[in-house]
Amino acid sequence: DAGVIQSPRHEVTEMGQEVTLRCKPISGHNSLFWYRQTMMRGLELLIYFNNNVPIDDSGMPEDRFSAKMPNASFSTLKIQPSEPRDSAVYFCASSQPSRVTQYFGPGTRLTVL
Amino acid sequence: GEDVEQSLFLSVREGDSSVINCTYTDSSSTYLYWYKQEPGAGLQLLTYIFSNMDMKQDQRLTVLLNKKDKHLSLRIADTQTGDSAIYFCAESSQTITDKLIFGTGTRLQVFP
Repeated sequence: DAGVIQSPRHEVTEMGQEVTLRCKPISGHNSLFWYRQTMMRGLELLIYFNNNVPIDDSGMPEDRFSAKMPNASFSTLKIQPSEPRDSAVYFCASSQPSRVTQYFGPGTRLTVL
Repeated sequence: GEDVEQSLFLSVREGDSSVINCTYTDSSSTYLYWYKQEPGAGLQLLTYIFSNMDMKQDQRLTVLLNKKDKHLSLRIADTQTGDSAIYFCAESSQTITDKLIFGTGTRLQVFP
């Protein structure tokens, strides 16, 4: 299996631009998680989907952030408009039904200038 | 609320044992986990322990759980330079089993 796939691996953009991060979970996994990692705040859960339905989005920082999961094999995290404080590494993870292990993707390093 | 704390740094000599400590606040956590993050990579699950267990051993890794003190530790025997990484402790959420609360991570540096 290819594991969790994220794209792009690196993104550099200017403040005010729209940014879209993409994730393909492992086939057969029904839970998907978006995390953000920064030096200041560590690893934060942004949003969690189960069977393509958002279950908990309490970690989404503000309305500029939105996430979708149109089908079981694809999810996006969008930031519009982006700000320099959004610079971080964004991870996607997935897990199987009723299993404890979350498998992480390699992350997208976002830099907003 | 739920909180997980770890020390930030640990430095050990190659061949020695490493012990990484973690404290958590949610006494109803079902599972507790240790993840490893190598530079430029995502998190990799190392091991986990069910809350009704005191100890779990997996090759060079030993996990100890003290529920009374809400203390979790990870011991790495015969630490190698390849073990240099950031180690995260995590607990399962009280309300949503699949949701994990991560600690700040401990950066382990192994020197020859």
